[in-house]
Amino acid sequence: EAGVAQSPRYKIIEKRQSVAFWCNPISGHATLYWYQQILGQGPKLLIQFQNNGVVDDSQLPKDRFSAERLKGVDSTLKIQPAKLEDSAVYLCASSLDWANEQFFGPGTRLTVL
Amino acid sequence: DQQVKQNSPSLSVQEGRISILNCDYTNSMFDYFLWYKKYPAEGPTFLISISSIKDKNEDGRFTVFLNKSAKHLSLHIVPSQPGDSAVYFCAASAGNNNDMRFGAGTRLTVKP
Repeated sequence: EAGVAQSPRYKIIEKRQSVAFWCNPISGHATLYWYQQILGQGPKLLIQFQNNGVVDDSQLPKDRFSAERLKGVDSTLKIQPAKLEDSAVYLCASSLDWANEQFFGPGTRLTVL
Repeated sequence: DQQVKQNSPSLSVQEGRISILNCDYTNSMFDYFLWYKKYPAEGPTFLISISSIKDKNEDGRFTVFLNKSAKHLSLHIVPSQPGDSAVYFCAASAGNNNDMRFGAGTRLTVKP
């Protein structure tokens, strides 16, 4: 069974630029999560989708971050414009349903200069 | 808000000995606790979990203990192996996987 795929693996941008990350969850997984992991900290949930609907985005900085999962399968997370403090690893995870184990992708490491 | 805390950023143990990783939480609504293991350049991998109705869960070399009154849980690895060297994250949620909160992680090094 293929795992959660994320791309790109690494991205370096300058502040005020825009960036987008892509996630393809495990086939058949209804729930998809985006996490932000800043160096030295644990992952922080940004947004949770159940199929193509948003379940929880209370910790998403909505003035600059947006995410979508239009067809209930893959998802994109966008930052526009980026700030220095957005430098982090962005992890995507999926689960069969909201009450099941989460499987994580390898993450995208973003560096904002 | 640090609702889940792992106060030891690192731990080093000898191969064959016991590794004990600790985690404290502040939110009394948490009822489901998990441990994840993370190797460099990979995403976290689920290791073991425990529901608040239990105080112990065991899976092979891994045992998680939960002390609800102290709001404390620990992960025991016996015997420790060099392949166990990784960062271990403690996580907690209220209502299974909804809005899971992670600790900052403990880097375990198992020396041969």
